[in-house]
Amino acid sequence: GQQLNQSPQSMFIQEGEDVSMNCTSSSIFNTWLWYKQDPGEGPVLLIALYKAGELTSNGRLTAQFGTTRKDSFLNISASIPSDVGIYFCAGQKYAGGTSYGKLTFGQGTILTVHP
Amino acid sequence: NAGVTQTPKFRVLKTGQSMTLLCAQDMNHEYMYWYRQDPGMGLRLIHYSVGEGTTAKGEVPDGYNVSRLKKQNFLLGLESAAPSQTSVYFCASSPLRAHSNQPQHFGDGTRLSIL
Repeated sequence: GQQLNQSPQSMFIQEGEDVSMNCTSSSIFNTWLWYKQDPGEGPVLLIALYKAGELTSNGRLTAQFGTTRKDSFLNISASIPSDVGIYFCAGQKYAGGTSYGKLTFGQGTILTVHP
Repeated sequence: NAGVTQTPKFRVLKTGQSMTLLCAQDMNHEYMYWYRQDPGMGLRLIHYSVGEGTTAKGEVPDGYNVSRLKKQNFLLGLESAAPSQTSVYFCASSPLRAHSNQPQHFGDGTRLSIL
């Protein structure tokens, strides 16, 4: 099945550093989403992007919808220990009918923040 | 607010046993989804439903069946469990329109081990 290539697979950073991760696809998506998953919990939506070129912020998080509609980027500024977790990108297509709303997920980026 | 509730949270089965995973949402969402999460592979869609009484196959449907008899419930069944089905299973739901602040809400997962 179709997959998104998410990188890096893992990151080990010091508290206060900035973080960047990205997701690429061979096909176009209409929506890009970024989720965070804490241990033992389900993914929680961080940012949703609906238009090519869109740049959206949520606190210290900023995400961009690539202009080609085949990629997206997530940046976290001034990281703190509670940023630890797995970050997933997800793409969504509007295929109409019963395909509407399905998500394709990246493999995830494991973020570790050292105090 | 309950959101998406999955039961059970943990289960250990023997090969060949059957079981049903339950998912309930109280947000009146039209769409519901079942994913499995395996290390290094992100979330993969098993089956999904676009409304009461309708279901469709996702990316990895083999070995699973689903039912959506009530709008608020989506059941995932394993007829004859196999070790390859050891995974963490997530249920999600989303409203009819994708353009909302939170397109998919996830439950906290069911951790299933097949011996």
